[in-house]
Amino acid sequence: GIQVEQSPPDLILQEGANSTLRCNFSDSVNNLQWFHQNPWGQLINLFYIPSGTKQNGRLSATTVATERYSLLYISSSQTTDSGVYFCAVEHNDMRFGAGTRLTVKP
Amino acid sequence: DVKVTQSSRYLVKRTGEKVFLECVQDMDHENMFWYRQDPGLGLRLIYFSYDVKMKEKGDIPEGYSVSREKKERFSLILESASTNQTSMYLCASSRSGARGDEQFFGPGTRLTVL
Repeated sequence: GIQVEQSPPDLILQEGANSTLRCNFSDSVNNLQWFHQNPWGQLINLFYIPSGTKQNGRLSATTVATERYSLLYISSSQTTDSGVYFCAVEHNDMRFGAGTRLTVKP
Repeated sequence: DVKVTQSSRYLVKRTGEKVFLECVQDMDHENMFWYRQDPGLGLRLIYFSYDVKMKEKGDIPEGYSVSREKKERFSLILESASTNQTSMYLCASSRSGARGDEQFFGPGTRLTVL
């Protein structure tokens, strides 16, 4: 089946710093989503982005489907950005990466 | 906004009990999904449904069954709970019958089986 790899697995930032999270996938996909899982376990949709670039406030994402990767950019990070960020792709079914655990320190 | 709700945030059950996890979505979505999330294993698909009374097995259906009697409601059933079913359970829904649509998740149910 399709493989989804996220990097880095862990990231620690000072408040105000910028970061880039990466998602690589091994086959063509119909759908790619980025989620933020908050400390209570809720998965919050960030982006639905099978291709192209989208921006939402301090967050933006780019998917280059032909090269099989997606990037999530977080600018001016805040402590509330802490949590785990998941990339999920749909090929035959939805597959999740292992996540990037982000900790933003005040 | 899409709203997906799950019946319980936390649940504690005993081995052998029958457990029902309920999921309701309010946006008339055709597709509904049940996942479990475990440390080191990520999210794995248990079952999904693309229409009322329709269901398909995901990656790990063993020990589970599902019911979709109404479009808005998708239930996950543990016929005889076991300790290895202690996990976080997440329900999701998506809009159309086609694959590849955006999925929206509920808040999750953390189930502990003693």
